[in-house]
Amino acid sequence: AQSVAQPEDQVNVAEGNPLTVKCTYSVSGNPYLFWYVQYPNRGLQFLLKYITGDNLVKGSYGFEAEFNKSQTSFHLKKPSALVSDSALYFCAVRADRGGSQGNLIFGKGTKLSVKP
Amino acid sequence: DGGITQSPKYLFRKEGQNVTLSCEQNLNHDAMYWYRQDPGQGLRLIYYSQIVNDFQKGDIAEGYSVSREKKESFPLTVTSAQKNPTAFYLCASSIGEWETQYFGPGTRLLVL
Repeated sequence: AQSVAQPEDQVNVAEGNPLTVKCTYSVSGNPYLFWYVQYPNRGLQFLLKYITGDNLVKGSYGFEAEFNKSQTSFHLKKPSALVSDSALYFCAVRADRGGSQGNLIFGKGTKLSVKP
Repeated sequence: DGGITQSPKYLFRKEGQNVTLSCEQNLNHDAMYWYRQDPGQGLRLIYYSQIVNDFQKGDIAEGYSVSREKKESFPLTVTSAQKNPTAFYLCASSIGEWETQYFGPGTRLLVL
């Protein structure tokens, strides 16, 4: 069965420092991986995705994520955090077309708090 | 201005009442989805539709119903059979089933 784990409920970072939000996954077949961000009482905004190709994926607002097949991870990163990055971040996965299930599976979310 | 709209922003349900949440998109997307979000549980798929007049159950379809009579609309009805309906409901759409999903602003359902 497909699954996604976000091992940290909350990540605290000082403004200007690099940030990492962790995600590991389990899927049969090749993974399609996504990161979304959610601000309070709002819908999810798409940040970036990995389908195939370069393991380092660049997305919106200066975020990037690194796909690591051997560690089955897709960690979200940003070199310099902003207070406005404070939000809830979701990792999601599904198998490619040859996999057993096409639906998107979401992690439970990680709350990012960036302090001035 | 293209996008996904959901209404109302807040909805109150009385015991035994059915309520309908609206989701409209003008992105010309074929696929549409409904998710339920509870604190600390991430998003769970309720129903999805890949094409007009067709839809499939997701992981937590019990107590919910949908219709897809038009490409741009995918309303969700929360029936009286759903005993714990309090949650944040999110609608999403994608060009096709296998493409990136984009989300609406959500509807928060509360029980009186």
